[in-house]
Amino acid sequence: AQSVTQLGSHVSVSEGALVLLRCNYSSSVPPYLFWYVQYPNQGLQLLLKYTTGATLVKGINGFEAEFKKSETSFHLTKPSAHMSDAAEYFCAVSEAGNQFYFGTGTSLTVIP
Amino acid sequence: DAGVTQSPTHLIKTRGQQVTLRCSPISGHKSVSWYQQVLGQGPQFIFQYYEKEERGRGNFPDRFSARQFPNYSSELNVNALLLGDSALYLCASSSASGVSYNEQFFGPGTRLTVL
Repeated sequence: AQSVTQLGSHVSVSEGALVLLRCNYSSSVPPYLFWYVQYPNQGLQLLLKYTTGATLVKGINGFEAEFKKSETSFHLTKPSAHMSDAAEYFCAVSEAGNQFYFGTGTSLTVIP
Repeated sequence: DAGVTQSPTHLIKTRGQQVTLRCSPISGHKSVSWYQQVLGQGPQFIFQYYEKEERGRGNFPDRFSARQFPNYSSELNVNALLLGDSALYLCASSSASGVSYNEQFFGPGTRLTVL
């Protein structure tokens, strides 16, 4: 069975500081991994995805994530937080099927 | 180009009623998926349709049903509403059947409140 765990339901960082949002997954086969961002009263927007190949994935808005199979992790990072990064972030996993499994989300607050 | 559109934006129903939510995918997209997002939780997969056929179903009771039309738009129906059905219902479209391989584009959602 697939599952996603996002450590930390709320994360606060200062503007310009490193952003690190944690995601661990469980999957019986090599997974497809995704990070989505959700702004208030909006749908989800894809930040980045890992399917195969390079384990360091770069996404939009300066975000990147690294797939670490040995740690079953797919943490999201951004070197320097911007006020506009404040949002809800969801990690998701899929096993080459038609179902996505989302984590419970991490709310990112950026402090000026 | 228009993104995924959903209607209505907000909906208030009472327990036991039935509700129909609508979704129009991005032009050219043939796959539509539905998700339920309860406040404070991540989206939960309900259904996926591709070329009018059901391709995936999440762990939801039979009160939930959906269909896809020839123009690839979709409806989600929920019968005998319960208080626990209150949530944001998200629709996502994709260009192919295997959503794992293809980016899903999400609509803004329909906020359903059951009183």
